[in-house]
Amino acid sequence: DAGVIQSPRHEVTEMGQEVTLRCKPISGHDYLFWYRQTMMRGLELLIYFNNNVPIDDSGMPEDRFSAKMPNASFSTLKIQPSEPRDSAVYFCASSFGRLQETQYFGPGTRLLVL
Amino acid sequence: QKEVEQDPGPLSVPEGAIVSLNCTYSNSAFQYFMWYRQYSRKGPELLMYTYSSGNKEDGRFTAQVDKSSKYISLFIRDSQPSDSATYLCAMSDPSGGNEKLTFGTGTRLTIIP
Repeated sequence: DAGVIQSPRHEVTEMGQEVTLRCKPISGHDYLFWYRQTMMRGLELLIYFNNNVPIDDSGMPEDRFSAKMPNASFSTLKIQPSEPRDSAVYFCASSFGRLQETQYFGPGTRLLVL
Repeated sequence: QKEVEQDPGPLSVPEGAIVSLNCTYSNSAFQYFMWYRQYSRKGPELLMYTYSSGNKEDGRFTAQVDKSSKYISLFIRDSQPSDSATYLCAMSDPSGGNEKLTFGTGTRLTIIP
């Protein structure tokens, strides 16, 4: 298996632009998680899905952030409009079942908002 | 106060030394405890997983959980340069179907050859 796939790996954009991050989870996994990592705050959970349904989005910082999972093999995290404080590394992770120890992380998308 | 506290380091030790990494937490409902290793510009990868209190050993790595003190540790024996990475502790409260992991901010470790 190729593991969790994220694209793009790097994104540089200007303030106010829309940013879309993409994730393909490991085939057969029924949980998908979006995280944000910064030096100051560490790794924070933004939202997670179970069987394509959003379960907990309490970590989404503002209405500017939205996430979708239209099918079991694809998810997007969108920021509109983007701001410099959104600059961070965004990780997608997936897992099978309710065993937290089986979360597998993707390589991340490094976002810089100028 | 954060739910999980972790010394950010950086921590530098000579090759072959024993390394001790630690986290403290405040939520007594945490039952699952994990250690993740993150190499530079990579995603975290699960290193060790422990349920409730006790010790778990896997090769050169030992994870300890002391729920009475709300304190977890990761020990690395015979440390190698390839162990140089950021180590993140993580924990979760499984009650109520909660699947969320709460992470520490990570400790950056460098093993000096």
